[in-house]
Amino acid sequence: AQSVAQPEDQVNVAEGNPLTVKCTYSVSGNPYLFWYVQYPNRGLQFLLKYITGDNLVKGSYGFEAEFNKSQTSFHLKKPSALVSDSALYFCAVRVPPIYNQGGKLIFGQGTELSVKP
Amino acid sequence: GAGVSQTPSNKVTEKGKYVELRCDPISGHTALYWYRQSLGQGPEFLIYFQGTGAADDSGLPNDRFFAVRPEGSVSTLKIQRTERGDSAVYLCASSTNRGSSYNEQFFGPGTRLTVL
Repeated sequence: AQSVAQPEDQVNVAEGNPLTVKCTYSVSGNPYLFWYVQYPNRGLQFLLKYITGDNLVKGSYGFEAEFNKSQTSFHLKKPSALVSDSALYFCAVRVPPIYNQGGKLIFGQGTELSVKP
Repeated sequence: GAGVSQTPSNKVTEKGKYVELRCDPISGHTALYWYRQSLGQGPEFLIYFQGTGAADDSGLPNDRFFAVRPEGSVSTLKIQRTERGDSAVYLCASSTNRGSSYNEQFFGPGTRLTVL
């Protein structure tokens, strides 16, 4: 079965410092991994994805994520946090698509990121 | 262009009533998904449409839940005999599924359902 774990309910970071939001996964076969961000009263916004290729994936708003197969992790990172990055972050794994199925997303429970000035 | 839209944004109903939630996907997106997000949780998959047909409805919790997409565009999630436990934010997402099967899903703002 596919599953995703986000071990931290909340991450607190000072503005300008680097941030990391952790994600580990369990999948059968090759993992297809995604990060989404959710601002209050708004829908989920896509940040980045890993399908294959380079382990370091760059995405929107200066975010990047590092895929580590041996540790089954896909941590989200940003070199310098902004107050406006404060939001709820979700890691997700896509169920490997088979013919005529599109691959539903399995989400982690989310991590609340708080960036203080 | 316009993103995924959902109506209503909020719905308050009484236990036992019937509700319909509407999703208007991005134009041209053939794949449409419904998820449910309870407070403090990540979204949970309900059902997936490819065109007009439900390709995967394994996430529907019971037979009170039903969804349709008759013309391959707008979808309606229907909940019969609502229960307080159905209270959640219902999210809709769409994707192209054209070429690659790994396209990201674009989410709507959700409908917050409250069952009193």
